[in-house]
Amino acid sequence: GIQVEQSPPDLILQEGANSTLRCNFSDSVNNLQWFHQNPWGQLINLFYIPSGTKQNGRLSATTVATERYSLLYISSSQTTDSGVYFCAVARAGGTSYGKLTFGQGTILTVHP
Amino acid sequence: DGGITQSPKYLFRKEGQNVTLSCEQNLNHDAMYWYRQDPGQGLRLIYYSQIVNDFQKGDIAEGYSVSREKKESFPLTVTSAQKNPTAFYLCASSTLQGWSATNEKLFFGSGTQLSVL
Repeated sequence: GIQVEQSPPDLILQEGANSTLRCNFSDSVNNLQWFHQNPWGQLINLFYIPSGTKQNGRLSATTVATERYSLLYISSSQTTDSGVYFCAVARAGGTSYGKLTFGQGTILTVHP
Repeated sequence: DGGITQSPKYLFRKEGQNVTLSCEQNLNHDAMYWYRQDPGQGLRLIYYSQIVNDFQKGDIAEGYSVSREKKESFPLTVTSAQKNPTAFYLCASSTLQGWSATNEKLFFGSGTQLSVL
């Protein structure tokens, strides 16, 4: 199956700092999503971004499908950004409808 | 409010017992999914369903069963055959757009923490 690697595994920031999270994947994809899991376990969908660039407030994401990676940028981080960030992908072709494969996540801690 | 409701929030299973986790959605989504999350790990797919009365095994289906009798509901039963059931279980749903079903954004419930007594 498709492999998804996220880096770094852990990230500690001071409030106000910027950060970049990376997601590498091993095959062509037709679906890529970024999620934030808060300390209570709730997963929030941040972006659906199989290619291109999107922005939502302080967050933005870029996927370079031909080079098989995606980046999530967090600017002016806040303590509420703490949690685990997951990248999830579905391999292009076949019958992988909605069968997202998740990376291991990046644990982000933002200190006040 | 539209969303996905999982219940119970916490569940305890005795040895040899089957337990059922509930998942209901009122988003009118076609597809529903069950994922398992172990501490410090990513999510792994247990079962998924794209239409009523049809479902497919995911990557770790052994010891689990599901049904999809209604579009809104996708309960998961953790059977006694699942020897290591302690985990956080997440239900999700999405639309399926077009024959290729690629434009899907996944939405999650708040999860059920299952522990073994």
